[in-house]
Amino acid sequence: GNSVTQMEGPVTLSEEAFLTINCTYTATGYPSLFWYVQYPGEGLQLLLKATKADDKGSNKGFEATYRKETTSFHLEKGSVQVSDSAVYFCALSRNSGNTPLVFGKGTRLSVIA
Amino acid sequence: GAVVSQHPSRVICKSGTSVKIECRSLDFQATTMFWYRQFPKQSLMLMATSNEGSKATYEQGVEKDKFLINHASLTLSTLTVTSAHPEDSSFYICSARQSAQGPFYGYTFGSGTRLTVV
Repeated sequence: GNSVTQMEGPVTLSEEAFLTINCTYTATGYPSLFWYVQYPGEGLQLLLKATKADDKGSNKGFEATYRKETTSFHLEKGSVQVSDSAVYFCALSRNSGNTPLVFGKGTRLSVIA
Repeated sequence: GAVVSQHPSRVICKSGTSVKIECRSLDFQATTMFWYRQFPKQSLMLMATSNEGSKATYEQGVEKDKFLINHASLTLSTLTVTSAHPEDSSFYICSARQSAQGPFYGYTFGSGTRLTVV
């Protein structure tokens, strides 16, 4: 079946540090891949996505590249800010039909000034 | 962009009572909505898939009679937690996929409902 594995947190970084959150997936066919962010007490917001191999999703300084050969979709940001403190979820979905997202367990990021 | 409105955002109820949570797609038709449950500091667990005009599909281990799902229109799905108990306290989130047939626009999430049963 489909599954997502992401690095466990919590991750604590100083402001302006480089961020990498690893995500790998197992899926049949060619899924779409997502990163969602959840700020304290809120729902999920789409951060970025990629729908096919070698696509790069980017938003707010975050990037992730869909790597089919390594079945990975690692999230990166060159310089984190305190406001980036949140929980980040990697997820995948099939591209057809009304199928739900499959989530990783989430990685809590804390950025300290 | 597409918006899913979920309410209430917070609810406190007494043990044994029922609570209804609504999710509305505001500017698109959602033939399917997904209901998730999130325990503190954990990931989202899919509870059920709600299909407009038909019965919901529940995930293994989710009690159909406790978590009643109704999807009577293309823009509204409801989750009713019946005879709530403290162990039902959780964060419930709905999600809708914008189009299954057309261009892939992705999923939109409601803002979540924090249920506390006392």
